[in-house]
Amino acid sequence: GDSVTQMEGPVTLSEEAFLTINCTYTATGYPSLFWYVQYPGEGLQLLLKATKADDKGSNKGFEATYRKETTSFHLEKGSVQVSDSAVYFCALDDYKLSFGAGTTVTVRA
Amino acid sequence: ETGVTQTPRHLVMGMTNKKSLKCEQHLGHNAMYWYKQSAKKPLELMFVYNFKEQTENNSVPSRFSPECPNSSHLFLHLHTLQPEDSALYLCASSQEGSAGGAAEAFFGQGTRLTVV
Repeated sequence: GDSVTQMEGPVTLSEEAFLTINCTYTATGYPSLFWYVQYPGEGLQLLLKATKADDKGSNKGFEATYRKETTSFHLEKGSVQVSDSAVYFCALDDYKLSFGAGTTVTVRA
Repeated sequence: ETGVTQTPRHLVMGMTNKKSLKCEQHLGHNAMYWYKQSAKKPLELMFVYNFKEQTENNSVPSRFSPECPNSSHLFLHLHTLQPEDSALYLCASSQEGSAGGAAEAFFGQGTRLTVV
């Protein structure tokens, strides 16, 4: 079945550091890919998405490119802030949303 | 505020109790979901309702019983739970129907359930 694998955390960074969270997927069809973010005490909210190969999703300084050849959708941000501390989930939607385990990111001032 | 409201936010219950979790969405969506979030595990999809009809039950134990009386409300009835059922239970909604998926899911803040 469809599945998502993302790098395990936790990840701890200093402010203004570069962040990468790896995500790879397995799917039989042509899924849409998402990154969701969960801030402390909150539910998940959509961060960005890409619906086809080579699409780049971006939001709040985060970017991810849909790479069909490597079945990947890695999340990147060039300069993180303390407010980016959260749990990040990679997900795919091939008529059903499947989530990865989540990566906890902590940014120190 | 995402348009999806869950109550209560926190719940502590004994193994012999019966309780219910409530979810309400004001987004006009046609699909609603229950997810279970446990520490260090992927989000587990429990139930899916499309147009009030249950379309998916991912081998969830019968001590969890969903109810969807209309397209805006979703309940999760709980009885004789086990301590390992302690988790964050998240409700979500989306507008399904477009080919190829890509429908954004909107989540509530969750109910933190502790079974003692």
